[in-house]
Order: sequence, then structure tokens, then C-alpha cells
Amino acid sequence: GDSVTQMEGPVTLSEEAFLTINCTYTATGYPSLFWYVQYPGEGLQLLLKATKADDKGSNKGFEATYRKETTSFHLEKGSVQVSDSAVYFCALTPPGNTPLVFGKGTRLSVIA
Amino acid sequence: DAGITQSPRHKVTETGTPVTLRCHQTENHRYMYWYRQDPGHGLRLIHYSYGVKDTDKGEVSDGYSVSRSKTEDFLLTLESATSSQTSVYFCAIKKDRTNYGYTFGSGTRLTVV
Repeated sequence: GDSVTQMEGPVTLSEEAFLTINCTYTATGYPSLFWYVQYPGEGLQLLLKATKADDKGSNKGFEATYRKETTSFHLEKGSVQVSDSAVYFCALTPPGNTPLVFGKGTRLSVIA
Repeated sequence: DAGITQSPRHKVTETGTPVTLRCHQTENHRYMYWYRQDPGHGLRLIHYSYGVKDTDKGEVSDGYSVSRSKTEDFLLTLESATSSQTSVYFCAIKKDRTNYGYTFGSGTRLTVV
């Protein structure tokens, strides 16, 4: 079945450091890909998405590019802030209305 | 944004008792979902619904049932709670005719003692 694998955490970075969180997927067909963020004590919020190969999703300084050839959707940010501390989830949904499949999440802590 | 509320926000219950969690939306979208979140497992789908009285199982449906008698409400019932069902439960909706992902509720933290 479809699945998402993302890098194990936790990840601890200093403020203004470069962030990469790796995400790879296994899916039949051409899924849509998502990154969600969960701040402490809250539900998940959509951070960015991409619906076809070579699409780049971006939001709040975060970016991810849909790479079909490597089945990847890595999350990047050039300069993290303390306020970016959260858990990040990579997810996919195949075409149609099949429910979202999530990775296990990566906890990011940014220290001043 | 889509109004989605979960109740209760926190609950402690005893092993063997039935428990019902409620998810309410204000915008009448067709698709609603229940996930559970556990350390090391991320989010796992319990059940979902694609309309009134139309539901289907997810990967971790054992011990859970759902009902959707109105578009706006999706209920999750633990028929006889066990300690393994201690978790944070999230409801989500998918806005109709979009591919914008899901909107999540704030979650229900359930502890089974």
C-alpha cells in the first residue's frame, strides 16, 4: 500500500540554521503531497502542498519540491526561527478521495 | 476557515466503559475522518465518512465504531475502552471539490485507566 517515510527526529537546530527534513514516498499512480505542521497542544495545519511532478510548494519560508524520479518531497527552510519549533508531518493522498497517509512526524526544536 | 470542533477536549475513563467522541463541522463538507496520534506512529486512520450513513474503515478500526446521521456530526465510539486506546484523537474534514488537504480539529486527549 501507499506509505510515507520521513527522517527520524528529534532535530535540534540553532536559530538561523538551514533546515532539511527528508520525506520519501511509495505510491501507485500520481499522489498529491503535503507537509503539515503541529505546534504544541494544537491540531495539524497544512503548511504546503504539491499536486504534480516538479511542482514546488512554499509557505512561510518553507519549500518542498515534488520529485517523481526520486519519489521525494523534502522540506527545506533557509533560516529557522524559534517559532518554527513544532512537529512536521509529510503526507500523501492518491488521486481521488482515498484518505491521507501520514509519515510518523519529525520533531524540530530551534534554540536561540 | 472551516469551523470544526471536537468534544470533549480531554477525558479520563475507566477500562471497559464506552466512550463517544464528537466532531462537528459548520460547512457541510462530505468527507470527515478520525485519526489517532501516538508517539512513534504519527497519525493513523481509524474510520472515515463520505456522506450521511456512508462510512468506511481505516487501518486501526478494531475496537472503534462510527456514526454519521447528520452531515455536520461524525461520532467516534470506543465500545469498551482499553488502555491501548489511550491516545490523542483528531477529526479532520476535506473541503469539497478541492485538493487543499484536510482541516483538523484541535484534538481530544483520551486517557483510559
